[in-house]
Order: sequence, then structure tokens, then C-alpha cells
Amino acid sequence: DAGVIQSPRHEVTEMGQEVTLRCKPISGHDYLFWYRQTMMRGLELLIYFNNNVPIDDSGMPEDRFSAKMPNASFSTLKIQPSEPRDSAVYFCASSPPHGKGGNTIYFGEGSWLTVV
Amino acid sequence: KNEVEQSPQNLTAQEGEFITINCSYSVGISALHWLQQHPGGGIVSLFMLSSGKKKHGRLIATINIQEKHSSLHITASHPRDSAVYICAVTKDFKETSGSRLTFGEGTQLTVNP
Repeated sequence: DAGVIQSPRHEVTEMGQEVTLRCKPISGHDYLFWYRQTMMRGLELLIYFNNNVPIDDSGMPEDRFSAKMPNASFSTLKIQPSEPRDSAVYFCASSPPHGKGGNTIYFGEGSWLTVV
Repeated sequence: KNEVEQSPQNLTAQEGEFITINCSYSVGISALHWLQQHPGGGIVSLFMLSSGKKKHGRLIATINIQEKHSSLHITASHPRDSAVYICAVTKDFKETSGSRLTFGEGTQLTVNP
């Protein structure tokens, strides 16, 4: 299995621009998570989906952030407009259904975002 | 106070030494995870445990549910073990909640040759 695939791996953008991060979860996993990692706050959950439905988006910092999961094999995290404080590593992760492989979680390589 | 706390924050060891990283949590959990993050940034799940002990190669993870404490041990440490080790817990008990993780701040381990 190719694992969780994220793109882009690195992105540098100017303040005010729209940023779209993409994620392909592991086939058969029905949970998908978006996490953000910064030096100041460590790893934080932004939002997670179960069977393509958003379950908890309480970690989404503000209206500038939105996430979608149109099908079981694809999710996006969008920031519009981007700000320098959004600079971070964004991780996508997936996990199998509860009871099948337990709660083991698989992370993508991360998308390193720099907003200048 | 963080719900998941790790110690130490930084740890430097000589190759071959036995290493212990500790994690304490203050909430009810369904599982505890140990993750490894290398300098390149990727995160790998090392263990998921809800009781007892698990072993994989030179790594051993233990958990004491009553004391709300877990330890990660590395035997015969090697420079390639240098990484950030993160303790995380799954707080939710509902079946539909999946693996919503709450993270500790991580322990930076450096193993010198």
C-alpha cells in the first residue's frame, strides 16, 4: 500500500492567496484527519471525517479554513485568504474502521506551508 | 495543565544506553499511542496500546491504566533512534469517534555515537 499521500509536499505562497492541500487516504480506511503542527502549539486536530462526513471541525481556526471530502479517496483542506500565521506543517492521517486494526493511525508525509 | 504530559522534553544519550520516555495523562482513554517523528517531518505510529506491554524490536511500550501512565523504552539505543517521540491518547469512547488524538508535546531524543 502506498500509504497516505499528501500534496503538495512544500508550498510557499504570498499572504492573501488561496492554498489548497490535498490528501488521499489509505484504501479501506473510513476515518480521515487533518492535523496542523507548529513550533508554538505542537500537533493540533483541525477536523476529521468518518465515511466522508465531517464529524468534528471544532479545531478549524476560523472561517478562512475549510475542508471537504467528496469521496472516500480524496480530501482537501483550503485556506482562503492565507496569512503568515498559517505557516505550519499540515498532516493528513487515516485510520481503519473501529475494530478492524484497532485505532492505529497512519500519517502522510505532511505539507509544509509557508505564507510570506 | 495539558491533558497529556511527557518527560523529559529533551534527552541526550550515548549509543548503547537504555532510554526511557514517560507519558502521563489526566483523562479517560480508550488507547494510547506512541509516535515517532524524524527530522524530515514524517510521523510514524510505533505502538497503540490499551493495557499491558508491547514490544517491537528494541522498542518496548508499557501502560498502567490505574496510574494513567505509560513509558516507552529503547534498548541498545542507536543514533538512528534520534527523533521526536510523541505520546498521544484517544479520549473518545464512542465507536464512531475513530482515532481522535490528543498529543503530548513530544520528547526530542538525540543519541550520540
